[in-house]
Amino acid sequence: GAVVSQHPSRVICKSGTSVKIECRSLDFQATTMFWYRQFPKQSLMLMATSNEGSKATYEQGVEKDKFLINHASLTLSTLTVTSAHPEDSSFYICSAEPDRGKETQYFGPGTRLLVL
Amino acid sequence: AQKITQTQPGMFVQEKEAVTLDCTYDTSDQSYGLFWYKQPSSGEMIFLIYQGSYDEQNATEGRYSLNFQKARKSANLVISASQLGDSAMYFCAMRELDGFKTIFGAGTRLFVKA
Repeated sequence: GAVVSQHPSRVICKSGTSVKIECRSLDFQATTMFWYRQFPKQSLMLMATSNEGSKATYEQGVEKDKFLINHASLTLSTLTVTSAHPEDSSFYICSAEPDRGKETQYFGPGTRLLVL
Repeated sequence: AQKITQTQPGMFVQEKEAVTLDCTYDTSDQSYGLFWYKQPSSGEMIFLIYQGSYDEQNATEGRYSLNFQKARKSANLVISASQLGDSAMYFCAMRELDGFKTIFGAGTRLFVKA
């Protein structure tokens, strides 16, 4: 199956700093990538849909100035958590779909963010 | 609005037995896709099986099969011959095929006993 990577896998940072998470599709081009957030023992919540070459579409309640998304190429999307606070600590997962209308999206391994 | 319901927070199954994980959904769309994903403790989301709303036959992938009952809006996952490595969280998900978004159920944690 298609491979999606995320970097870093874990990050610990101080409150007030910014953290960038990269999501890469390794063996396919992804017009669309998705960013999810998962709190412990909870389900995945879609944060935003990232389209190559255009602005991301954010879900209701997600601050676009807080969670900056850039989809500069067909294989890379980045999520930057700006001025991170402890409540931003979570598991962030990206996914990508090879073609519109394909059966499934492929998920990255996730990034665990801990803000102290 | 779309909705996915998984009513079993946790399930236990004996190794080598079959187990059914429940999933019901709600949508007003005629075209949609249903998915099951496995999430082990490492956190990665592993795609297991897909069922399209117009597929007449139930999807099967190895030990996984999807019991699709469209009229009841249910898409239960059946795992046959459970293995210890099947212990994980399992998420049911749905995507309307003219949209981008996939929504996930709350998940079911499966414990396989030796």
